[in-house]
Amino acid sequence: AQSVTQPDIHITVSEGASLELRCNYSYGATPYLFWYVQSPGQGLQLLLKYFSGDTLVQGIKGFEAEFKRSQSSFNLRKPSVHWSDAAEYFCAGPQGNNRKLIWGLGTSLAVNP
Amino acid sequence: DTGVSQDPRHKITKRGQNVTFRCDPISEHNRLYWYRQTLGQGPEFLTYFQNEAQLEKSRLLSDRFSAERPKGSFSTLEIQRTEQGDSAMYLCASSLEGDYEQYFGPGTRLTVT
Repeated sequence: AQSVTQPDIHITVSEGASLELRCNYSYGATPYLFWYVQSPGQGLQLLLKYFSGDTLVQGIKGFEAEFKRSQSSFNLRKPSVHWSDAAEYFCAGPQGNNRKLIWGLGTSLAVNP
Repeated sequence: DTGVSQDPRHKITKRGQNVTFRCDPISEHNRLYWYRQTLGQGPEFLTYFQNEAQLEKSRLLSDRFSAERPKGSFSTLEIQRTEQGDSAMYLCASSLEGDYEQYFGPGTRLTVT
């Protein structure tokens, strides 16, 4: 069955440090993959998406993600974290003809000043 | 383009009462999804509309839940005889035919007391 897994429940980084959030997928074919961010009590904002082509994709707010087929991973990165990046981050991918999204459990990011 | 909107943002109700939520998708989007999210979890798919047709319902959607999209524009999600286990964030998303990315509203936070 298709699945998306986020191994890290919670990560804390210092402001200005680099960030990498992990996402692993299990799909039969080349997956479509997304990263979303959710601030407390808010809806989900699309950060970036991977469909095909370049394996390094750029998103909003200075985020990027790299698709690695050999590792079944789609990790999210940011070179320098800002305090406003503290939020919940979700990796997701579409499933089935109706393209409903299946989700990882999320990674909660805390940023120390 | 004002994005996806949801109303109300918060709803507190007593167990056994009925509640109805509304979602207005991005105007040209013909695909509309409802998800439910509980604390510390990723969203879970509830149901999907293409135009006015409800094409998929999750097993999570018990008989107490009903959703409509009568004119292929806005959608409503009704929960009858609410239970404490229905307390969650209800998220609506929309997308264009042919696209995979979904755009989310701010959600409706339901608390059943």
